[in-house]
Amino acid sequence: GAGVSQSPSNKVTEKGKDVELRCDPISGHTALYWYRQSLGQGLEFLIYFQGNSAPDKSGLPSDRFSAERTGGSVSTLTIQRTQQEDSAVYLCASSRTGYGYTFGSGTRLTVV
Amino acid sequence: GENVEQHPSTLSVQEGDSAVIKCTYSDSASNYFPWYKQELGKRPQLIIDIRSNVGEKKDQRIAVTLNKTAKHFSLHITETQPEDSAVYFCAASSRYNNNDMRFGAGTRLTVKP
Repeated sequence: GAGVSQSPSNKVTEKGKDVELRCDPISGHTALYWYRQSLGQGLEFLIYFQGNSAPDKSGLPSDRFSAERTGGSVSTLTIQRTQQEDSAVYLCASSRTGYGYTFGSGTRLTVV
Repeated sequence: GENVEQHPSTLSVQEGDSAVIKCTYSDSASNYFPWYKQELGKRPQLIIDIRSNVGEKKDQRIAVTLNKTAKHFSLHITETQPEDSAVYFCAASSRYNNNDMRFGAGTRLTVKP
């Protein structure tokens, strides 16, 4: 597609439930990133995928968070046993190596 | 790893005035410096970037300057307009290793009409 597509755009879930967030990057972009943005805050790095290399998971805040990228394209970020502090906008971005990111519109996650 | 600091955190200017946002970085290997604009409730969007082989780049009312010796770079917006109101993020990374890109904390710019 023309841009980075994320779904759902909004997700309300009960505390303790699992959620899956999806990102469809720009075709041909080998790099894919997940960031988290709490209300009024900056961009917190979560995880980075580059081609077929092992992902950089150094930003994942706990073992409840995991992500995968299938076939070098679509990525899914999974949060297990959600907590209220997980509430945030989750942004996905893709890029060609060495270039600026194109961000998706984000998924606003609210844990109640 | 890279550490990017951004100042000020908030900036308010009168329409028509100039606005300057400054960032410093710690990793001397960094050589790619993009700037993103995030309007309220929207995604961050790349507005301009600069690479280490140039000291300045301009695009209409927006310019970026880079001082590699001092490890700082700045965003300059001239003739500000209300639609320039947004949060601006600077970032730094090395050319061939985008996974080390780190963002500043952001500057909330308000342009008063």
